[in-house]
Amino acid sequence: KQEVTQIPAALSVPEGENLVLNCSFTDSAIYNLQWFRQDPGKGLTSLLLIQSSQREQTSGRLNASLDKSSGRSTLYIAASQPGDSATYLCAVLVDYKLSFGAGTTVTVRA
Amino acid sequence: NAGVMQNPRHLVRRRGQEARLRCSPMKGHSHVYWYRQLPEEGLKFMVYLQKENIIDESGMPKERFSAEFPKEGPSILRIQQVVRGDSAAYFCASSPGGPNTGELFFGEGSRLTVL
Repeated sequence: KQEVTQIPAALSVPEGENLVLNCSFTDSAIYNLQWFRQDPGKGLTSLLLIQSSQREQTSGRLNASLDKSSGRSTLYIAASQPGDSATYLCAVLVDYKLSFGAGTTVTVRA
Repeated sequence: NAGVMQNPRHLVRRRGQEARLRCSPMKGHSHVYWYRQLPEEGLKFMVYLQKENIIDESGMPKERFSAEFPKEGPSILRIQQVVRGDSAAYFCASSPGGPNTGELFFGEGSRLTVL
């Protein structure tokens, strides 16, 4: 059974600091890994998708790496802003199903 | 191109009533998935459907829950005789091809409260 763990569970940083969010998974036989953002009471917004054959993906201030063999992914957010405050979810896709971590709740202080 | 549309966004039911949640996938998407987010828990897979077919319902509770995706119209997640433990956010996602071919796009969710 796939287990996805996200560390830390919560993070509070001053504006401008870089964010590092970690995700680990137990079964490396994944098709892809997605990072999502969830605002309170809202749906999921897809941030980055990394195919199993890829090592990283970048979009603007966001960069995600994937080390499938060790079962790890890291999401980097450069120069954080108060608008980045949200819960960030990591999910891995195996056999039709996404397995989600519990998320990292980020607060960026102005 | 409208995103995945879910309604109602909020639903309140008393114990024993039925809840029907609707999901219209993105245009051109024929694959629909339902996930449930219980309070203080992560999202869990419930069911994967294509038009008129249930592909995988291994995450669905064995009783009271059913899902369909008819040839015409939205996908429906139906919960009969709701109990307090059914209170959760139910998210629908869609994809143009099978789930292993790319990104899943999620709706805003339907939040069910059982009194």
